[in-house]
Amino acid sequence: ETGVTQTPRHLVMGMTNKKSLKCEQHLGHNAMYWYKQSAKKPLELMFVYSLEERVENNSVPSRFSPECPNSSHLFLHLHTLQPEDSALYLCASSQDRGGQPQHFGDGTRLSIL
Amino acid sequence: GDSVTQMEGPVTLSEEAFLTINCTYTATGYPSLFWYVQYPGEGLQLLLKATKADDKGSNKGFEATYRKETTSFHLEKGSVQVSDSAVYFCALFTGGGNKLTFGTGTQLKVEL
Repeated sequence: ETGVTQTPRHLVMGMTNKKSLKCEQHLGHNAMYWYKQSAKKPLELMFVYSLEERVENNSVPSRFSPECPNSSHLFLHLHTLQPEDSALYLCASSQDRGGQPQHFGDGTRLSIL
Repeated sequence: GDSVTQMEGPVTLSEEAFLTINCTYTATGYPSLFWYVQYPGEGLQLLLKATKADDKGSNKGFEATYRKETTSFHLEKGSVQVSDSAVYFCALFTGGGNKLTFGTGTQLKVEL
């Protein structure tokens, strides 16, 4: 039990679909993160939220749209994705922005047809 | 910018063999250093960390020493088990960047 739960675990979607990834943390943390993990590449930080406010957006295409309605929940809304967006998407949380360690969920494996 | 370089895998070892996974880094300032482990089908878990030069992090028989002079943080274990099969990520954190910078990961396979 990591304390960070991601759903769904696997998602297959066409390029014209709209779907959302969900992350929930039960650790009382104030910061949440979205990462993209692709084969043979370092983890890429996509977004950072601190106290429900987006504090970092690392040049992520607009087809990825994050939402943080409260400090326990984080969503990643997906729209008109490309095949190169197929990857494992990991959510993480930490006590505060920059706090260590970060606690990771098990990820959502996304495949774009 | 900050960067982490890890040896490429996969690394394949027999059970009870000695493990070394090399990690070197480039960073401005004085980073904290981490090893994370990712078991199949799971997210990353913190394995160990060191926050200043000459610190040794250790956990579950793994250890790594923060070497400022060689900018390295090599992961070692004296006797690996099949259950250690996973992907290992070296990472650094600096207050200036305020984010974790990861290496590409090294896959370890331990066979009987």
